[in-house]
Amino acid sequence: ELKVEQNPLFLSMQEGKNYTIYCNYSTTSDRLYWYRQDPGKSLESLFVLLSNGAVKQEGRLMASLDTKARLSTLHITAAVHDLSATYFCAGLTQGGSEKLVFGKGTKLTVNP
Amino acid sequence: DTAVSQTPKYLVTQMGNDKSIKCEQNLGHDTMYWYKQDSKKFLKIMFSYNNKELIINETVPNRFSPKSPDKAHLNLHINSLELGDSAVYFCASSQNMWYEQYFGPGTRLTVT
Repeated sequence: ELKVEQNPLFLSMQEGKNYTIYCNYSTTSDRLYWYRQDPGKSLESLFVLLSNGAVKQEGRLMASLDTKARLSTLHITAAVHDLSATYFCAGLTQGGSEKLVFGKGTKLTVNP
Repeated sequence: DTAVSQTPKYLVTQMGNDKSIKCEQNLGHDTMYWYKQDSKKFLKIMFSYNNKELIINETVPNRFSPKSPDKAHLNLHINSLELGDSAVYFCASSQNMWYEQYFGPGTRLTVT
């Protein structure tokens, strides 16, 4: 059974700093997804990582996938207040009816 | 036009009542989902449909019954509501189960 663990669960950082959110998953997963959720809002898709070594970047966010280590990272560069949100990673189960299994989310607060 | 819409946005009701949440997507996607997000923000899949056919039915009480009248709609009916049903329910859709999912705005259900 696929389990997805994120850390840290809470992250408070200053504007301008860099940090990384880690997402470990327990069994083979072909795809890894990152979503963003603002307070009281819906989830917005950020990245879909399809293969080992995949790296995707959008603005100050960069996501990568290492399928051998069963690890994905979301790196934040020079954080700004607008990045404050909860970030979820999710793995796709394999075999049978595939479904997304979400991590618990990382609540990021960027302070001025 | 909103890609994935849900109604109502808020639902406050008493224990024992029956209620429905409606979801519509105008993205032409084949697959639709219902998720439950609890008070700790943990997100878990409840059901998924592909072309009106039930694909995933997680361990959800029988009081929850999804219905997909066509590919663009997936409704959720809940009988005999309980306090523990209080949560935010998200509808989502995707091209197929491997593609990124687009989430609706959510329905905040409060059972008193």
